[in-house]
Formats: sequence, structure tokens, C-alpha cells
Amino acid sequence: KAGVTQTPRYLIKTRGQQVTLSCSPISGHRSVSWYQQTPGQGLQFLFEYFSETQRNKGNFPGRFSGRQFSNSRSEMNVSTLELGDSALYLCASSPNPRGEQSRPSTDTQYFGPGTRLTVL
Amino acid sequence: AQSVAQPEDQVNVAEGNPLTVKCTYSVSGNPYLFWYVQYPNRGLQFLLKYITGDNLVKGSYGFEAEFNKSQTSFHLKKPSALVSDSALYFCAVSRPYGQNFVFGPGTRLSVLP
Repeated sequence: KAGVTQTPRYLIKTRGQQVTLSCSPISGHRSVSWYQQTPGQGLQFLFEYFSETQRNKGNFPGRFSGRQFSNSRSEMNVSTLELGDSALYLCASSPNPRGEQSRPSTDTQYFGPGTRLTVL
Repeated sequence: AQSVAQPEDQVNVAEGNPLTVKCTYSVSGNPYLFWYVQYPNRGLQFLLKYITGDNLVKGSYGFEAEFNKSQTSFHLKKPSALVSDSALYFCAVSRPYGQNFVFGPGTRLSVLP
């Protein structure tokens, strides 16, 4: 099976602009999560989507949003970019075949290579 | 709240020697623990996980981890380090709900030839 793919791999934007990142999960995986990785804050959870619905959300401002399509592909959008949004954005998919979310997950998350966003 | 600590920012080990990357956790309820590795300009690669059962978990590339409930630890180990093991290692625990993790800050492993 092909792994998780993310496009684009690199992106340069200026403050105030908006950006859309794309993620294609492993075939058959229904859950897609997004993480932000920075040297200062490490890996932080942004949000998770399942069946086109946002199920969980991390502690990020409303400028960060996402969506999931019927084929499980996901996009995340950052509006009004700030310098501090420069980061590696990682997408991860997991099977979650029963759609459970009421307890901690035992599923492995499989990560894509990430999109490196630089805000100037 | 779930939290993960990796007390060492950097671990240096000579090639051929055993390596240990430390992880301690704080969770309410049963811990589901994971190790990932990240190579430069790459995403995270799954190494192994502990869900239940045997405290010694074997994973990819010869890595293993030992779950210790009394010490709330989940240290990653390898009997003989390779230069190619040099990378950033992350320990993670499942959050209470849904498909997402709390990650530790990461430990940079350098294996010296």
C-alpha cells in the first residue's frame, strides 16, 4: 500500500496570506489527524477528522481549520499567516475501523513526510 | 492530563554498543504507548507500541521497549547501535479520546562510528 502523502512538500508564504495543505491517507484509513512540529513547541495536535467530521481539536486559534472529503483525503487551511506559523505540518492516518473515539486509541498512526511552511 | 517526558535531549552512543532512550509518562487509566523515529526532512516512522500484555515489546529495525508500570516508564532499547540509527526519537501516549497523541519533546540520538 502507498503511504500517507502530503502536498506540497515545501511552501513559502508572507504574513497575512492564507495557505492550504493537502493530505491523502493510506487506502482504507478513515481517520486523519494533523500535527504541527516546531523546534520550540515540539509536536502539537491540531485536529482529527473522521467521516468528514472534525472529532477532536487541539488548542490552536480559529485561523487553523480543516476538512475531510468523502474519500478520506483531508486539507488544512491557515488564514492570516503569522511568522510563528512557520513549521512542519504533519498529517497522520489510522484505520479506526469501528470509528471509536470514546476511549484512548490503540491504533497506530502513520505519518506523511510533512509540509514545510515558511512564513516571511 | 496525559503527559510524556523524555529527560534527555541528546544521547550519544558508540556504534555496536547498546542504546537506551528514556521515556516516562503520566496518564489516567491504562497507558497506550508508542515510539516513533524521525529522520531529517522526513515524517515520523512507527517503531513499536505497548497496548497490553508482555512488558517487553519488540519493534522494527531491532528496537524493543520495556514497559514498567511501577516506574511509569517505557524506555526504548537496542542491543547494538548502528550509525544509521542516528535520528530524533519520540515517545507518545494516546490521549483520552480519539485518534491523536501527546508526544514527548524528542531525544536526538547520535551513534558515533
